[in-house]
Amino acid sequence: AQTVTQSQPEMSVQEAETVTLSCTYDTSENNYYLFWYKQPPSRQMILVIRQEAYKQQNATENRFSVNFQKAAKSFSLKISDSQLGDTAMYFCAFMKPRGSQGNLIFGKGTKLSVKP
Amino acid sequence: DSGVTQTPKHLITATGQRVTLRCSPRSGDLSVYWYQQSLDQGLQFLIQYYNGEERAKGNILERFSAQQFPDLHSELNLSSLELGDSALYFCASSARTELETQYFGPGTRLLVL
Repeated sequence: AQTVTQSQPEMSVQEAETVTLSCTYDTSENNYYLFWYKQPPSRQMILVIRQEAYKQQNATENRFSVNFQKAAKSFSLKISDSQLGDTAMYFCAFMKPRGSQGNLIFGKGTKLSVKP
Repeated sequence: DSGVTQTPKHLITATGQRVTLRCSPRSGDLSVYWYQQSLDQGLQFLIQYYNGEERAKGNILERFSAQQFPDLHSELNLSSLELGDSALYFCASSARTELETQYFGPGTRLLVL
């Protein structure tokens, strides 16, 4: 069974600084999808970024980028120029490929605090 | 705003009762997923529907059931409620296949007293 591990329960960063959140996963699949979701205090789950395992290029979305290391089964999220609004729980998630259930498997999350 | 709506936002009920949570997917989305978020279990997949048909089941209790209607909205029914069922219940939707990104609704916070 696939598992997702986020080893940092809590992290903090100063406003305008850069922070990296770690995620590792375990799977025997070759094709899959990885996601980072953000959950601010409002509890809404917001998609941050998506990475397809077959793509070698790391995904980027504005200030958010990932470092995808397929062989190491690592998928870290880098937040540049951190803003107060980035304060949230961040969840790493894994999706099995076509033909499977298609549900997301989540890590336990990293609570990020951005300090002024 | 993801385009996924869930009602009610909050629900307080007593043990042994039954409640229904409602979800309307994004316009055009055929797949609906239900997830439970609790302090001890984290975010867990419950069940998926695709165009009215059950597609996959996760860690869903027998006391829980769901359905997706012809207009594609979905309902999650929770019965014989226990204290441990208190959680945030999310609905998510995606366009067509399992490969599509899932967009989450705001959730329904259930408190069982």
